[in-house]
Amino acid sequence: NAGVTQTPKFQVLKTGQSMTLQCAQDMNHNSMYWYRQDPGMGLRLIYYSASEGTTDKGEVPNGYNVSRLNKREFSLRLESAAPSQTSVYFCASGYGQHNYGYTFGSGTRLTVV
Amino acid sequence: DQQVKQNSPSLSVQEGRISILNCDYTNSMFDYFLWYKKYPAEGPTFLISISSIKDKNEDGRFTVFLNKSAKHLSLHIVPSQPGDSAVYFCAASAIKAAGNKLTFGGGTRVLVKP
Repeated sequence: NAGVTQTPKFQVLKTGQSMTLQCAQDMNHNSMYWYRQDPGMGLRLIYYSASEGTTDKGEVPNGYNVSRLNKREFSLRLESAAPSQTSVYFCASGYGQHNYGYTFGSGTRLTVV
Repeated sequence: DQQVKQNSPSLSVQEGRISILNCDYTNSMFDYFLWYKKYPAEGPTFLISISSIKDKNEDGRFTVFLNKSAKHLSLHIVPSQPGDSAVYFCAASAIKAAGNKLTFGGGTRVLVKP
């Protein structure tokens, strides 16, 4: 099925461990995004990639890095996980045009203990 | 400081009645607004949108109203159905924002009782 695929769906990390969240889309979208969802805070933008080869910080980038591997793939890396990074992470993609929305993946639920 | 706010974290409504979800924004540069619906363990899905050149957009049971002077928009669901029980997010973008970034509100959980 066409869409945005995220892996893994669930992950438990110990404080200080590192991991990479993977995201791939097959809709030929130009732009890709990483959001985190926390209770009462809605969805907050971590990083985005407006086009292949570019990445930019969003609202809450501290503690994260990203890589736009190619047009399809956009990964999010936690170098040294902290309990404050316990959250649900969503990847999204879009055409990058103003009057279009995004397609979201199903999310990764991350717990840092 | 949240630029998009949904002040009602939850809403309970009887099946068949109207659900009204509200959203306020502070950034006057926002000129395109969207509503997303989210079921548990799934990603948000696009529901309906509106451009700032309009004050109303309708799609079946869903209508979005925009009041630019008040920086306020609302989503009406008529009639509400049990399958509408979900979390609804309001989002906004600005034409000059790089990468078509969307700013989301905190969400409103809707429960439709049969």
